[in-house]
Amino acid sequence: DAKTTQPTSMDCAEGRAANLPCNHSTISGNEYVYWYRQIHSQGPQYIIHGLKNNETNEMASLIITEDRKSSTLILPHATLRDTAVYYCIVQIYNQGGKLIFGQGTELSVKP
Amino acid sequence: DTGVSQDPRHKITKRGQNVTFRCDPISEHNRLYWYRQTLGQGPEFLTYFQNEAQLEKSRLLSDRFSAERPKGSFSTLEIQRTEQGDSAMYLCASSPATGDVNEKLFFGSGTQLSVL
Repeated sequence: DAKTTQPTSMDCAEGRAANLPCNHSTISGNEYVYWYRQIHSQGPQYIIHGLKNNETNEMASLIITEDRKSSTLILPHATLRDTAVYYCIVQIYNQGGKLIFGQGTELSVKP
Repeated sequence: DTGVSQDPRHKITKRGQNVTFRCDPISEHNRLYWYRQTLGQGPEFLTYFQNEAQLEKSRLLSDRFSAERPKGSFSTLEIQRTEQGDSAMYLCASSPATGDVNEKLFFGSGTQLSVL
């Protein structure tokens, strides 16, 4: 069962930051927060993950609250190509590596 | 890195027929996963392999479904006596399974199955 709660959908203006929230109030100490996205008609694509500290890579930033009960994925300058479903997943790494997906947030980036 | 390849991209079949899908993982990735996705839902885990060993099967994988990875490279997923409820996107993913905390799954583009 998915252990995360995400809004069903969000809109964002092109060029602005997209902030996608995720609640994971039952996260345990050894579970990581992963974000994947799925563009229409494609398979999911890894974005970023973290344990406690904030993380940044070329695609996005991940902000995890101090109590680790929620996190925010930030796309700093959203483009039309960022329109996708974004999945927040918590899991212990190396537990077979499988991911359990929820329903995700459908992000629409509008011109 | 040529990515995870799935074949065919689309399959239309009549109820009761058998279908087989193929997945070619990224070279040297020893873990391979199958997922199913219906419209508006997130992908649902079906099964995974470590090399040629099938290590876990979801309860979603009924007796009509069988997956193999005979030589630890490509994998096939067969559905026997297809039903309309089997209509879905079938996704394959692979990972290197190094145990590294930075490990991630790489997905193919899926096979869209329509059962008429």
